[in-house]
Amino acid sequence: DGGITQSPKYLFRKEGQNVTLSCEQNLNHDAMYWYRQDPGQGLRLIYYSQIVNDFQKGDIAEGYSVSREKKESFPLTVTSAQKNPTAFYLCASSVPGRAYEQYFGPGTRLTVT
Amino acid sequence: GESVGLHLPTLSVQEGDNSIINCAYSNSASDYFIWYKQESGKGPQFIIDIRSNMDKRQGQRVTVLLNKTVKHLSLQIAATQPGDSAVYFCAENIRGTPLVFGKGTRLSVIA
Repeated sequence: DGGITQSPKYLFRKEGQNVTLSCEQNLNHDAMYWYRQDPGQGLRLIYYSQIVNDFQKGDIAEGYSVSREKKESFPLTVTSAQKNPTAFYLCASSVPGRAYEQYFGPGTRLTVT
Repeated sequence: GESVGLHLPTLSVQEGDNSIINCAYSNSASDYFIWYKQESGKGPQFIIDIRSNMDKRQGQRVTVLLNKTVKHLSLQIAATQPGDSAVYFCAENIRGTPLVFGKGTRLSVIA
């Protein structure tokens, strides 16, 4: 089955620690995205990558970092500089030129205390 | 992005009735308008898209209407079922740029 996997589903960290969220896809999509979703709100774009070894900041990139060393993988690091990191994080992918049709993973719920 | 409240607009519909979910979009230059469905605790799922040069598109049990004059998009779900209960997001896209998501509407189906 093709799809996007995110792990773990729930993640707990202490304030001041960096944490890396995993996102893997076997859809052979070039473009990948990271979104943040807060309770009762929409999706806000953190970072996106249209091709391996290239990525761009989204609307709320501060306090986050990404890498895109492989087509299949787009990990997101939530750094200690992110002031309010507790949220639901969603990874997505798409075929280039069809950014409107994105395939989402199941999400990782990060809680920082 | 604009700030939003903690409470999503909610639409409650009787099972078997038709649902209409509305969305106001902001950018008249958008090429595509899209609807996504998000069930509780899951990632959003693409439902249907419509190009800016169209005003209506039909899928399986769903119809999307686009009114560019008033920048309004709607999703109609025929014969609403309990499995349709979810949050529905509209989104807009200019080719070559990222999606911009709207605020979401929670659809509750009453059995």
